[in-house]
Amino acid sequence: GESVGLHLPTLSVQEGDNSIINCAYSNSASDYFIWYKQESGKGPQFIIDIRSNMDKRQGQRVTVLLNKTVKHLSLQIAATQPGDSAVYFCAENMTPSPLYTGANSKLTFGKGITLSVRP
Amino acid sequence: ETGVTQTPRHLVMGMTNKKSLKCEQHLGHNAMYWYKQSAKKPLELMFVYSLEERVENNSVPSRFSPECPNSSHLFLHLHTLQPEDSALYLCASSQRPGPLAPGANVLTFGAGSRLTVL
Repeated sequence: GESVGLHLPTLSVQEGDNSIINCAYSNSASDYFIWYKQESGKGPQFIIDIRSNMDKRQGQRVTVLLNKTVKHLSLQIAATQPGDSAVYFCAENMTPSPLYTGANSKLTFGKGITLSVRP
Repeated sequence: ETGVTQTPRHLVMGMTNKKSLKCEQHLGHNAMYWYKQSAKKPLELMFVYSLEERVENNSVPSRFSPECPNSSHLFLHLHTLQPEDSALYLCASSQRPGPLAPGANVLTFGAGSRLTVL
């Protein structure tokens, strides 16, 4: 079946280094992708998103790369800080038809990967 | 403050109890969601409301009963739960897609209600 998955369950990086979190998706019809960050005791927080008509999008210290050929999504965090320690989720969405006026019911989340930043 | 507030943050209940989870959003969104987050599993979508109308019910057992009285409030009524229902229940809201804004929109999540069923 269709699924969104993350290659590694945990990632440990040195403070100041760059982090790369990878995600594979299998639904070729997905056209919108989101990265969320979830800190302990909090709900997921939006980091960055990208639509399928783009292959790269940059935010503040974060970059998302989309490779539709191999159905791969990655999140790059520059100069990783202790505050970046959290669980990161990728999610994919398939936009319903233009006549659909419901909500985002096709958003599928991956299992999450824990990023641990060493001081 | 994410704009989505959930209460209570923690709830312990017996299998015969009846309780409710509450969610309130202050973002002017018109779609609201309930998700279940269990350890080592992806977020599971339970219910979706768009303009106070339920548009999705993902085969959730009837012991979970949602209610959306208006676009700012969402409830999850719980009764005769099982220990395997213990999880973090997350509420989220978003703008629903429309003719002028097609496609998906970002979900804003609350902090969740940690439920333990004894």
